[in-house]
Amino acid sequence: DAKTTQPPSMDCAEGRAANLPCNHSTISGNEYVYWYRQIHSQGPQYIIHGLKNNETNEMASLIITEDRKSSTLILPHATLRDTAVYYCIVRVATDSWGKLQFGAGTQVVVTP
Amino acid sequence: GAVVSQHPSRVICKSGTSVKIECRSLDFQATTMFWYRQFPKQSLMLMATSNEGSKATYEQGVEKDKFLINHASLTLSTLTVTSAHPEDSSFYICSARDGRGYQPQHFGDGTRLSIL
Repeated sequence: DAKTTQPPSMDCAEGRAANLPCNHSTISGNEYVYWYRQIHSQGPQYIIHGLKNNETNEMASLIITEDRKSSTLILPHATLRDTAVYYCIVRVATDSWGKLQFGAGTQVVVTP
Repeated sequence: GAVVSQHPSRVICKSGTSVKIECRSLDFQATTMFWYRQFPKQSLMLMATSNEGSKATYEQGVEKDKFLINHASLTLSTLTVTSAHPEDSSFYICSARDGRGYQPQHFGDGTRLSIL
């Protein structure tokens, strides 16, 4: 299964866009990239997922490079409530159940 | 949509007690449910995958006789920690998905288990 690499931490200013990078250089053609976040002492919250096209929803945008070896999650206007650990996960393509293996993620701290 | 409810949110009990945690999908049918464990300052670790009406599949190193999983309906899965000991104290989190294609997992809010 493709592994992901994320920076351990990032600071973002409130009101500014937060750009969270993720490297997944060993991703295969039919593996999706999922983003979740976990606010302290809560269960993870689904944010967005994509295969190769850029995706946008009410929470964030997902930009996937053309070679699919990396992606960026964009929070357009960060708020203090966006402080959380953000996980970039590549789903195992051969697993029909949709298992996800969580890495260490990026601790994002949004400051006033 | 896609709400997953987990109960209880916190439990404190004595060593040797068995503890049951429930996970319910409230607005969708969950053909597959997952159970995770998270220790302080660590990431989530997948414990097992369960499909409705069949036996759970456990990850390597997870004792199936210790962590009993039942997925009797499309909206309910339970995790029972049998004869719990202090080392079983952890944050247990369930998730569910409806099994269609690449639909994402949706997570409950977790259960904080403390064994005295």
